[in-house]
Amino acid sequence: NAGVTQTPKFRILKIGQSMTLQCTQDMNHNYMYWYRQDPGMGLKLIYYSVGAGITDKGEVPNGYNVSRSTTEDFPLRLELAAPSQTSVYFCASSYSGLAGAYNEQFFGPGTRLTVL
Amino acid sequence: ELKVEQNPLFLSMQEGKNYTIYCNYSTTSDRLYWYRQDPGKSLESLFVLLSNGAVKQEGRLMASLDTKARLSTLHITAAVHDLSATYFCAGRIQGGSEKLVFGKGTKLTVNP
Repeated sequence: NAGVTQTPKFRILKIGQSMTLQCTQDMNHNYMYWYRQDPGMGLKLIYYSVGAGITDKGEVPNGYNVSRSTTEDFPLRLELAAPSQTSVYFCASSYSGLAGAYNEQFFGPGTRLTVL
Repeated sequence: ELKVEQNPLFLSMQEGKNYTIYCNYSTTSDRLYWYRQDPGKSLESLFVLLSNGAVKQEGRLMASLDTKARLSTLHITAAVHDLSATYFCAGRIQGGSEKLVFGKGTKLTVNP
């Protein structure tokens, strides 16, 4: 199993550009998440999905969009990039459905995005 | 609203010493997670604590959970340089959403 994979690893955008961060998991997890990590601030949840076709906002959704057409993929779209979106983005997945299960989230390697 | 607070945020310790990282959370959380992050890397799951009084140990790390005090601790025994990393605790929001709230992390540096 590759686990959770993310592309690209690094990206530099100009203000106003758009891009899509890709995330794929091969563990048949139903839940998927997007976080951003800023220095000294921990992780903040941007969006999450409980299954194909179902997404919901997290703590910091403004400026982002998501879709989930398959169990495996959960892309994050940045429209009109702003310097405030400079961050490291992590995708994660987990399985929820078994009583008493740990439901721990497994993280991808991250995408380091700079907006200039 | 669940809030998670870790302390200290920075910890510099000598090899061979013991220390504890504290994780307080503001409202009821039914699950507490500890993760490790090496510089420039992703997060790796260390422990999942499900119930009051839960204690888990892996090598020199031991995590515990006191739900009444809303406190989890990560105890480091006889630290070694390889334990240098940032450690995060995260509480799960009750209600079936599977959403986690993370603390800001504790950056641990173990000096020879």
